[in-house]
Amino acid sequence: ETGVTQTPRHLVMGMTNKKSLKCEQHLGHNAMYWYKQSAKKPLELMFVYNFKEQTENNSVPSRFSPECPNSSHLFLHLHTLQPEDSALYLCAGRKLGGKNTEAFFGQGTRLTVV
Amino acid sequence: AQTVTQSQPEMSVQEAETVTLSCTYDTSESNYYLFWYKQPPSRQMILVIRQEAYKQQNATENRFSVNFQKAAKSFSLKISDSQLGDTAMYFCAFMKMISNYQLIWGAGTKLIIKP
Repeated sequence: ETGVTQTPRHLVMGMTNKKSLKCEQHLGHNAMYWYKQSAKKPLELMFVYNFKEQTENNSVPSRFSPECPNSSHLFLHLHTLQPEDSALYLCAGRKLGGKNTEAFFGQGTRLTVV
Repeated sequence: AQTVTQSQPEMSVQEAETVTLSCTYDTSESNYYLFWYKQPPSRQMILVIRQEAYKQQNATENRFSVNFQKAAKSFSLKISDSQLGDTAMYFCAFMKMISNYQLIWGAGTKLIIKP
């Protein structure tokens, strides 16, 4: 247990649906990340939030919309997705500064777009 | 730009054997961190071991150790006395010391420990 919780664990959605992924941590992490993990490919960084401010958007299509309302919660809003967006979506958090560089990951949401 | 390469998509060894997973990386940085993460079937990505590039001594964590060759840009993971619970995907990752702490990931190696 890493202290980072993602819900739901599994999600099946149609291409016209709107859904949201949730990530929650109470470890005092001040940086949070969304990653996309597809089979046989390196993890792809999607978004970075430092102190609740979005600092990175790695050319992610606008059908993915992140939200960080407070330091404990991170959302990924999904709408009009494509089948190729099916993947495991991982949330991670870390404390910036100091010598502790470890990122703590949630168990991911397995997303299937039909 | 930094890249991380794991050349072994899958490996399989008998329980109690020693196995070495390969990782090479490309960077022009002199100070950075390297990591090995483990992702078991539960999907939780867990840190296995960490190495600071400025440290010459190879990091060790119980049965896990690394062979860090900075000049060769190589960072292999050795698992001694392998156990069934070591079955997982293993990912090598790179991070610049001065950055927004973005991790650059390899594609992973699937390790299967056979009874």
